[in-house]
Amino acid sequence: EIVMTQSPATLSVSPGETATLSCRASQNVSSDLAWYQQKPGQAPRLLIYGASTRATGVPARVSGSGSGREFTLTISSLQSEDFALYYCQQYNNWPPLTFGGGTQVEIK
Amino acid sequence: VQLVQSGAEVKKPGASVKVSCKASSYTFTTFGISWVRQAPGQGLDWMGWISAYNGSTHYAHHLQGRVTMTKDTSTSTVHMELRSLRSDDTAVYYCAVTMYNYPCYFHSWGQGTLVTVSS
Repeated sequence: EIVMTQSPATLSVSPGETATLSCRASQNVSSDLAWYQQKPGQAPRLLIYGASTRATGVPARVSGSGSGREFTLTISSLQSEDFALYYCQQYNNWPPLTFGGGTQVEIK
Repeated sequence: VQLVQSGAEVKKPGASVKVSCKASSYTFTTFGISWVRQAPGQGLDWMGWISAYNGSTHYAHHLQGRVTMTKDTSTSTVHMELRSLRSDDTAVYYCAVTMYNYPCYFHSWGQGTLVTVSS
C-alpha cells in the first residue's frame, strides 16, 4: 500500500498571501496524483488531477506540481473561500487508492 | 454529473447497512463509482470501486468480506452494503464517480450519507 504524507498538518496564512502545501508518496506514483478541497459539512471537491491539471471551474491561482514522490499544491492570493481542508490522493497503484492525512489552511 | 445518495441511517452493532447512490446527467455505464468514508474528525478512507459497465469490483483489503458493491443499470444506481457493523464504522459515506472504467481520481461526489452505529 502506498502511504501518502501531507505537510504541514495546519498552515496559517493571511488573506492575499500564498499557501504552499506538500504531499509525499512512499513510492513513485508518476503523475497519478489528485488534490481535493473540503469545507465543513461538504463533500470533497476535485481541484487538480494528473498532478498539475486543474479541474473544471478551478481558478488559475490554484496550481499543482511535482511527479514521482514529491508534490506541491500552491494557492496564490488566498481568498476567504480558500480556507479549508486539502487532501492529496494517489491513483497509480491500487487497490487501495490512498489519501494523505490532510492539510488545514486557516486564517492567520 | 450528479450523484444523489440515500438518507442517514442508524444501526446497531452487528447489523448491516445498504447505502444507495443514484447517478444522472451522464451515461451511467461509461464510468465507475467508488465509495469513500470519513469518520468524525478524520480523513478519507477509500472502500472500493465498482464498474458501472460490467459490475466488476475492487475492494479495500481492510473491508474484504464485509462490503459488497452492486449496480442497477435500469435505475442508474449503485449500492454499497456493509455488514457486521461496529462502532468504528460510524462515518459519512460518499460515493464518487471516476471518469474512467478503472479506479482513479474522483471527478464528482455525492452529498454523503451519515451512518451511525450505536447500541
